[in-house]
Amino acid sequence: GESVGLHLPTLSVQEGDNSIINCAYSNSASDYFIWYKQESGKGPQFIIDIRSNMDKRQGQRVTVLLNKTVKHLSLQIAATQPGDSAVYFCAENLPNSGYSTLTFGKGTMLLVSP
Amino acid sequence: NAGVTQTPKFRVLKTGQSMTLLCAQDMNHEYMYWYRQDPGMGLRLIHYSVGEGTTAKGEVPDGYNVSRLKKQNFLLGLESAAPSQTSVYFCASSYLFSGGYQETQYFGPGTRLLVL
Repeated sequence: GESVGLHLPTLSVQEGDNSIINCAYSNSASDYFIWYKQESGKGPQFIIDIRSNMDKRQGQRVTVLLNKTVKHLSLQIAATQPGDSAVYFCAENLPNSGYSTLTFGKGTMLLVSP
Repeated sequence: NAGVTQTPKFRVLKTGQSMTLLCAQDMNHEYMYWYRQDPGMGLRLIHYSVGEGTTAKGEVPDGYNVSRLKKQNFLLGLESAAPSQTSVYFCASSYLFSGGYQETQYFGPGTRLLVL
C-alpha cells in the first residue's frame, strides 16, 4: 500500500491493549471535532465526532475526550485489534465567513502487533 | 448507495498535460470538497463548493480549477500539470444542517496522480 505520511508520530501497541491517540487543535473558536481513520491506500473513514458543548462521547470501542481549556482532543480505542492499524487524523471545524471547513492534523500512525 | 466515488483511480500525466478528476456523491449533500494529500503534509483543501453552481478557494488552489454544475458532481481540473501536483487527491462531501453547522465529511477512495 501507499504511505499516507512520512515521519508521522507512531504509537505501537499489543493486541488487546487500550490505545490513546492525542491531538492538539489550533483554534479556541472551533466548535466541532472529528476523528478519522485512514488505512493504507484508502480514503479517510469517519470514526467518531464531538461538538464543543460536550467533553466526552462514546462509540463502539472508541471514546473521544475534549479538553477545551488546553485545546486537546484524544481518541481512546479499547481492546485494540490488528485491524485498527492505520493513520488516525483529528479534524476541527473552523467557522469562516458563514461557510465551515475542516482543518486536519497530520495524523498519528497506530501499529498493532498480534 | 455508493457514497462518494472518484474517477479515475490512477493517472500518469506528462508536464503540461491537462486532465479532469470527477467526484460523484449520491447522498444529496450540499457541500463538496477537493483535497490533496502529500507525505508529511496531511490533507490540504484545494477548493470547495457549498452548493450547485458555487465554488470557493481553499488553502492551496493555485493550478487547479473546479466546477459544480450538478449537485451530485464536483470536477477538479488541472489545466497544465506540473510535477509538484503529483499527489493523492481526495473528494469529500457533507450535509449542511440548519443553523450552519457542518456535519461529518465523507471521503472517496482517492485518485493517485503522477506528473512526470
